[in-house]
Amino acid sequence: DVKVTQSSRYLVKRTGEKVFLECVQDMDHENMFWYRQDPGLGLRLIYFSYDVKMKEKGDIPEGYSVSREKKERFSLILESASTNQTSMYLCASTREGAYGYTFGSGTRLTVV
Amino acid sequence: GESVGLHLPTLSVQEGDNSIINCAYSNSASDYFIWYKQESGKGPQFIIDIRSNMDKRQGQRVTVLLNKTVKHLSLQIAATQPGDSAVYFCAENSNDYKLSFGAGTTVTVRA
Repeated sequence: DVKVTQSSRYLVKRTGEKVFLECVQDMDHENMFWYRQDPGLGLRLIYFSYDVKMKEKGDIPEGYSVSREKKERFSLILESASTNQTSMYLCASTREGAYGYTFGSGTRLTVV
Repeated sequence: GESVGLHLPTLSVQEGDNSIINCAYSNSASDYFIWYKQESGKGPQFIIDIRSNMDKRQGQRVTVLLNKTVKHLSLQIAATQPGDSAVYFCAENSNDYKLSFGAGTTVTVRA
């Protein structure tokens, strides 16, 4: 089975901290995505990557950055966490040319 | 911008009955649609997909219907079971293999 692993299920961080959310997939997928999920808003795309060292902004990139140094790993970075970034963060991957994403279990981040 | 939405945020259904979950989309250029199921504490899981050159596709206990004329997508679950309780999302491809998701419908199965 394709597996997408997010390193933390729950995180609590303080306002202003730099936060790293890690995602690893084991199926050699080219495409990786970061979404945030909020009640009533569904999943909103933050950033995505089609290949190593490539990144593209999604719909809500402000306050976030990403890193993809290796094909299997896609990191989401909150440069200076704010309370409005409290959310569920979902990582997904898919092979080149495919639409069907495989999601990780999510990281629930609380910024206090 | 383009968006995908679901008609109802919640749906309560009696165990054994059929469920119908609706979704409206606005991007007439979308050619691929997916339904995902998200159980509590888990990430979304693929249920079924359909391409725009089809009107209907069936899986195990699930059927997806696509009406391109009115830009409407639905998911039908036959003989709903307690394990079907979850949040269901429709998604459409926007471009370059990115998916746009609706807000989701929470399905609760009554025993």
